[in-house]
Amino acid sequence: AQSVTQPDIHITVSEGASLELRCNYSYGATPYLFWYVQSPGQGLQLLLKYFSGDTLVQGIKGFEAEFKRSQSSFNLRKPSVHWSDAAEYFCAVVGDYKLSFGAGTTVTVRA
Amino acid sequence: DVKVTQSSRYLVKRTGEKVFLECVQDMDHENMFWYRQDPGLGLRLIYFSYDVKMKEKGDIPEGYSVSREKKERFSLILESASTNQTSMYLCASSFSSGRGTYNEQFFGPGTRLTVL
Repeated sequence: AQSVTQPDIHITVSEGASLELRCNYSYGATPYLFWYVQSPGQGLQLLLKYFSGDTLVQGIKGFEAEFKRSQSSFNLRKPSVHWSDAAEYFCAVVGDYKLSFGAGTTVTVRA
Repeated sequence: DVKVTQSSRYLVKRTGEKVFLECVQDMDHENMFWYRQDPGLGLRLIYFSYDVKMKEKGDIPEGYSVSREKKERFSLILESASTNQTSMYLCASSFSSGRGTYNEQFFGPGTRLTVL
């Protein structure tokens, strides 16, 4: 069965600084990978997805992620964080036609 | 824009009560899903439905049932609520996927259920 690990439970970053959120997956075949964001009191919004092709994926809100098969990773990055990026971020993998989510990483942005 | 709505944002119930959580989507999606979200555990799939009157168990179906009488509506039922079912419940929907493909799920805002 597929699984996702997000090693960082909570990250604090200064506004304007860069951000990287880690995601490691376990799946036997070529994975479909996703990053979702959940702002306080909101549902989940898709940031970006990887199905195949270029391993560097661009998403909304200035986010990007890089798929590295050799490391079973799909890390999310943003060069310059804005206060509105404070949220919880979830990595997910599709297997058996179902989404499996990581436990999430909460991002706090300090002024 | 796809819109997934859930009947309540906050709900407080007592142990033993029967609880209905309603979800409606307006994009004619075939698939609908119910998840629960708990701190440190992420989202876990309770049930999903790929067509009217069809349902499949997810990873944690115990204590829950579902109903899908119309394509746009998917209900989650707690037959006898217990305190360990206090959680955030998220509904999602998507178009049906062919084998080897996958379509994005769109999420509702969630219902925070407290069982006392």
